[in-house]
Amino acid sequence: AQSVTQLGSHVSVSEGALVLLRCNYSSSVPPYLFWYVQYPNQGLQLLLKYTSAATLVKGINGFEAEFKKSETSFHLTKPSAHMSDAAEYFCAVSDQWSGNTGKLIFGQGTTLQVKP
Amino acid sequence: GAVVSQHPSWVICKSGTSVKIECRSLDFQATTMFWYRQFPKQSLMLMATSNEGSKATYEQGVEKDKFLINHASLTLSTLTVTSAHPEDSSFYICSASEVTFPNEQFFGPGTRLTVL
Repeated sequence: AQSVTQLGSHVSVSEGALVLLRCNYSSSVPPYLFWYVQYPNQGLQLLLKYTSAATLVKGINGFEAEFKKSETSFHLTKPSAHMSDAAEYFCAVSDQWSGNTGKLIFGQGTTLQVKP
Repeated sequence: GAVVSQHPSWVICKSGTSVKIECRSLDFQATTMFWYRQFPKQSLMLMATSNEGSKATYEQGVEKDKFLINHASLTLSTLTVTSAHPEDSSFYICSASEVTFPNEQFFGPGTRLTVL
C-alpha cells in the first residue's frame, strides 16, 4: 500500500528565506509524485510532478523538488519565500502500474506561514 | 488548458433536503472523475472514483446511497447529497483525469456545503 508523510504540519519562514517542505512516501511500485498548493476556500493547484524522468523537478512560482529514491523523499523547496506563498501544501503519490486508476494518496498537508 | 469547474461554489440548504453539485471538465475529456471531501485544516478524503458510463467506486465508509455520483458524459459528473444533515457540511472538491496521463488529476475550485 502507498502512503505519504509530510513532516511538520506548520512551517513558518521569513520573507526571503528558504522554504523547505518535507515529504516522504512509501510505495511498493515506482511512484508518481506530486506537490499541490491550496489557497483558502479554493481547489488544488499543481505545483510540480515527478513522473520518472529527471529527478530534479522544477515547477511553477519558483518551486522545485528532488526525487530521492534511496531516501524515499520528495521535498519541496524554494530559495526565497514570498508573502504570496502562504498557503496549504499537499504532497501526493500515485503509482506507475499500468492498471492504476490514477488514485492519489495525499499527505496530511503543511501550512506555510510567511512572516514579513 | 485542463480546467475543471464546479457549480455551485457554495450552497446552503435545510436539513433533509438534497443538494446536487456539478463538476465539469471544460477543455478535455475526463475519463475518470474523483470526488473528495475536506474538513477544515485537514487533508482531502477520497469519497469515490467514477468512470464515464459506469457505476462509481466508493471508498470504504462512504455511504453510496447518501452520496449519489453520476458520470453521464466525458465532461460532466454530479454528486448529489441526499437527505442532507448538518454533519454533511463540508468542502467538496472534484477532480478529473484524462486518458493520456491518468495519474495526473486536475482539480475544481470546490463547493462549500452548509446544512442548517
